[in-house]
Amino acid sequence: QKEVEQDPGPLSVPEGAIVSLNCTYSNSAFQYFMWYRQYSRKGPELLMYTYSSGNKEDGRFTAQVDKSSKYISLFIRDSQPSDSATYLCAMGGGTASKLTFGTGTRLQVTL
Amino acid sequence: SAVISQKPSRDICQRGTSLTIQCQVDSQVTMMFWYRQQPGQSLTLIATANQGSEATYESGFVIDKFPISRPNLTFSTLTVSNMSPEDSSIYLCSVAAGGYSTDTQYFGPGTRLTVL
Repeated sequence: QKEVEQDPGPLSVPEGAIVSLNCTYSNSAFQYFMWYRQYSRKGPELLMYTYSSGNKEDGRFTAQVDKSSKYISLFIRDSQPSDSATYLCAMGGGTASKLTFGTGTRLQVTL
Repeated sequence: SAVISQKPSRDICQRGTSLTIQCQVDSQVTMMFWYRQQPGQSLTLIATANQGSEATYESGFVIDKFPISRPNLTFSTLTVSNMSPEDSSIYLCSVAAGGYSTDTQYFGPGTRLTVL
């Protein structure tokens, strides 16, 4: 079993839809949770950072962490074609000595 | 956040040759990292490079194949030695926002390497 599981997609949604991206993990020591956005032929760009459980909102983006279920989510409201990218979750902390990344979910927002 | 540049952005190389990738940061940082990203796979950490000490390599990666230099707090290089087609990948450098390996990391644009 991978330490972090992420559905690779691709996920295709119409413009304006609400998108839900998810990761599950097995290491209960993880404390820091991040979402990165990666456009084609670009490096990953930090989108959201959350410490421990709870919600964090930034514009159209909301990150949720449920440590009891070992489940994190990224919601995108009013999705735009410019949101088309690969979204990677990452986590670390506790006894981990490095960040662990999901494989990424490819999102396509269509007109 | 740090601004990170990498050179070259892409290259096509012959089997058996070596390529050195440069990573430049616009501010002084303690920890720099080198990753490999292959299609459909997670980012794989190659090594952690701290200024003034030897790089720390992850399981499956060795210094002879991926020598790293870290001469100062804003610059690092990764060399991919004696390349084979299996080394074709995107190579990314990143820096930790704080002083810990599990802090938020900021990434460079990547170097797309193709080995023929």
